[in-house]
Amino acid sequence: QVQLQESGPGLVKPSQTLSLTCIVSGGSIRSGGYFWTWIRQYPGKGLEWIGNIYYTGSTSYNPSLKSRVSISIDTSKNQFSLKLSSVTAADTAVYYCARDQQWQKYNWFDPWGQGSLVTVSS
Amino acid sequence: SSELTQDPAVSVALGQTVRITCQGDSLRSYYASWYQQKPGQAPILVISDKDNRPSGIPDRFSGSSSGNTASLTITGAQAEDEADYYCNSRDSSGKGPYVFGTGTKVTVL
Repeated sequence: QVQLQESGPGLVKPSQTLSLTCIVSGGSIRSGGYFWTWIRQYPGKGLEWIGNIYYTGSTSYNPSLKSRVSISIDTSKNQFSLKLSSVTAADTAVYYCARDQQWQKYNWFDPWGQGSLVTVSS
Repeated sequence: SSELTQDPAVSVALGQTVRITCQGDSLRSYYASWYQQKPGQAPILVISDKDNRPSGIPDRFSGSSSGNTASLTITGAQAEDEADYYCNSRDSSGKGPYVFGTGTKVTVL
């Protein structure tokens, strides 16, 4: 079955850019019908949708983060990536990648990666 | 900020039934999916579209929806069901394509 695994630095300095990669295994990222997604979870446990990308490169972002976020995809490596610029302590969270499937008025995220804790601190 | 509201915590006696609710205007237009999260683990999908459960999810988990409220019911709760539960749907408020609920901590007594 499809599995996702995040990778990237666990510590980022304020004002710098957070970069994470999600490696997809067990299936092709070029499979139509799925949106490859980034979600974060704050230390207080709230979940926030960051954005997604389709295998064609089409993206959608959370309006609250749109000016700072960029998601890209590398189909040759079966992976997609997140960049979040100008980070502050408020961006400290566990970052998850997930696969989003949509059908009519439904959507669901499955599977999820194990999560990557990113701390923003000097 | 999340536009889907859940009760912060509920408790259920072992073997009894518990219903977790999720309220929000988005649910008048879109349906909810449900996730279980145990400490130190990533969320896992328990209810996807309508009342469908992914492979491996016990049939004691079921979902329903009415008006602006979605519900996840655990019928015959087991000790291993103790976890945080989150709902999710598309967002109709214009704040983003997807929103998550505030989460409910389920304690099995």
